[in-house]
Amino acid sequence: AIQLTQSPSSLSASVGDRVTITCRARQGFTTALAWYQQKPGKAPKVLIYGASTLQSGVPSRFSAGGSGTDFSLTISSLQPEDSATYYCQQFINFSLTFGGGTRVEIK
Amino acid sequence: QEQLVESGGGVVQPGRSLRLSCTASGFNFRTYGMHWVRQAPGKGPEWVALIWYDASDKYYADSVRGRFTISRDNYRNTVYLQMDSLRDEDTAVYYCARRQRSHADLWGQGTQVTVSS
Repeated sequence: AIQLTQSPSSLSASVGDRVTITCRARQGFTTALAWYQQKPGKAPKVLIYGASTLQSGVPSRFSAGGSGTDFSLTISSLQPEDSATYYCQQFINFSLTFGGGTRVEIK
Repeated sequence: QEQLVESGGGVVQPGRSLRLSCTASGFNFRTYGMHWVRQAPGKGPEWVALIWYDASDKYYADSVRGRFTISRDNYRNTVYLQMDSLRDEDTAVYYCARRQRSHADLWGQGTQVTVSS
């Protein structure tokens, strides 16, 4: 089965910091990777799809890249409203597979 | 505006059934595939099922195959999830989500399903 491993599982950073989250696929090759942001009690919200395409309406401080088995999400200048859990997601065999999540806290 | 609204959640005993509904508005529902995704307390999202825009194909997670059935009514702009033989481990918030090519771009607010005796 496809597994997505995110690191770190949590981080704490200050407003204005540059933050990077990584996502590694254990097997398989895909460019169909997406990133979501989820706040407590809310549904996930897509930030990035197709590995690097910013969803309409998402601030440009969010960016992502990678290919094959290694992908990353970067927040260029962390804002208070970015406190959330972030998930990567692959689409393989008609199913959505999610990573374990990275919790981002503001110091 | 584009919106998905789930309903039908509740508390149910193990082995019983429940049917969830998700009603769409603000977009051409009949042209989109639809997912159900669930999230257990303190866990990440887990994909449950996908139905093609015209219901010609359906796919299920191994954990629910044979117990859950996804269907849709394009005249009512609604997708359903029939859940039978419910287990404790099916306890979660259930979301419907609109399929794009490789991700889900529009999500409902979720409906809570609790399986407990």
